[in-house]
Amino acid sequence: GAGVSQSPRYKVAKRGQDVALRCDPISGHVSLFWYQQALGQGPEFLTYFQNEAQLDKSGLPSDRFFAERPEGSVSTLKIQRTQQEDSAVYLCASSQGSGVSGNTIYFGEGSWLTVV
Amino acid sequence: RKEVEQDPGPFNVPEGATVAFNCTYSNSASQSFFWYRQDCRKEPKLLMSVYSSGNEDGRFTAQLNRASQYISLLIRDSKLSDSATYLCVVNPGNTPLVFGKGTRLSVIA
Repeated sequence: GAGVSQSPRYKVAKRGQDVALRCDPISGHVSLFWYQQALGQGPEFLTYFQNEAQLDKSGLPSDRFFAERPEGSVSTLKIQRTQQEDSAVYLCASSQGSGVSGNTIYFGEGSWLTVV
Repeated sequence: RKEVEQDPGPFNVPEGATVAFNCTYSNSASQSFFWYRQDCRKEPKLLMSVYSSGNEDGRFTAQLNRASQYISLLIRDSKLSDSATYLCVVNPGNTPLVFGKGTRLSVIA
C-alpha cells in the first residue's frame, strides 16, 4: 500500500507480557516517528529515527520501551513487562525529508494496545 | 504550562454554523504551525498549515498571532462531515511536532 502500515491493529496483553509493534513507513521516507496517544489526549512524542539512526528517544517513558529501525525502513517498538498505564494507541508516522521540522508527516492507523 | 493548549470542547453546532477554535503555545521560538484533523478511531491527518499572513482553504481559515502566541481555525458553513477532533500542532524548532489535546467538534443536523 501507499500509506504507513502498522501491525497489529489491536493487541490485548496481560500485565507483565512483552509486546512488539511494527511499522512499515511509506517507501523511501527517511524520517520515522513513534507517538503514543492515550484516550482523550493528543499524540505524545516517543522517539524519532533518521534512516537507521535513532536521533531522539527523549519521549520514551521508561526503560521498558525500546525502538529500533535496523535497516532504515521497518521499525519495531517493543514494550517489556507491560503495565496498565501503557494502554494507548501507538502511532507511527513517516516523512520524506530528514530532520524533524518542515516536512509533512503521515500517520499510520495506529496499534491499539490494551493491557489487562 | 503545557506547550500547546486547546479547549477540549465539545463544540456542538448546527449545520451551516460558523465555528472557531483557538490554541495557544508556550514556546515563542516555535517556527511552524499546523491543524490536523482526527476522526474517531482514526489517525491524525494534516488539515492545513498556518502561516503568519493567514491562509484559507475553502471553508477553512487559519490564522497565526505570533505576538500573542495563538493560532486559530475558523470553519464556515459547517457540514456533518466536519465532525471530528481538531489538533493544534506546533513545531518548536529542531524537535518533533508537539500536539495539543484536540478540540472535539460535533456538527448536528
